[in-house]
Amino acid sequence: ELKVEQNPLFLSMQEGKNYTIYCNYSTTSDRLYWYRQDPGKSLESLFVLLSNGAVKQEGRLMASLDTKARLSTLHITAAVHDLSATYFCAVDISRQLTFGSGTQLTVLP
Amino acid sequence: DSGVTQTPKHLITATGQRVTLRCSPRSGDLSVYWYQQSLDQGLQFLIQYYNGEERAKGNILERFSAQQFPDLHSELNLSSLELGDSALYFCASSVALGHGTGSLTYNEQFFGPGTRLTVL
Repeated sequence: ELKVEQNPLFLSMQEGKNYTIYCNYSTTSDRLYWYRQDPGKSLESLFVLLSNGAVKQEGRLMASLDTKARLSTLHITAAVHDLSATYFCAVDISRQLTFGSGTQLTVLP
Repeated sequence: DSGVTQTPKHLITATGQRVTLRCSPRSGDLSVYWYQQSLDQGLQFLIQYYNGEERAKGNILERFSAQQFPDLHSELNLSSLELGDSALYFCASSVALGHGTGSLTYNEQFFGPGTRLTVL
């Protein structure tokens, strides 16, 4: 059974600081997705990572995928309050997505 | 706005009742997925339909069923409701089934706004 583990589960950080969210998974996959969810809202697609070594960047967020280590990271640079949300990684096995537990990020002024 | 619509937005009902949740996928998307999100179970895949046919089942209870109609909208039916069924139910859609493992195929799913179900 595929297990997808995110850490940390809760992250409180100061504005302007950098931090990384980790997503480990237990079965080989070369497709991984990151989503953002605001409280009570839907999931918004952030990044699609399709191969080993893939790196995508959008604004202050950068995602990478290491399929050999079965690890994806979501790096936050110079955090701002607007980034406060829950971030999920999702691993694609045979086109079925298994989600991590989510990382609830709070950016403090 | 992802282009996926779900109705109703909120649903409050009693234990033992039956409800139907509705989803319309993005224009052109053939695959529809249903997910349940709760505090204790997280985001769980329930079931997938592709062009009217069931393609995959996840952790879906026998009391739950779904279908996809010729116009590609989908309905999730929940019956004999229990308190523990209270959750956010999301529908997502994607372009295709995603056959094979070619480097260009992937399965980015676009999520609807969800239906919040409260069972009292």
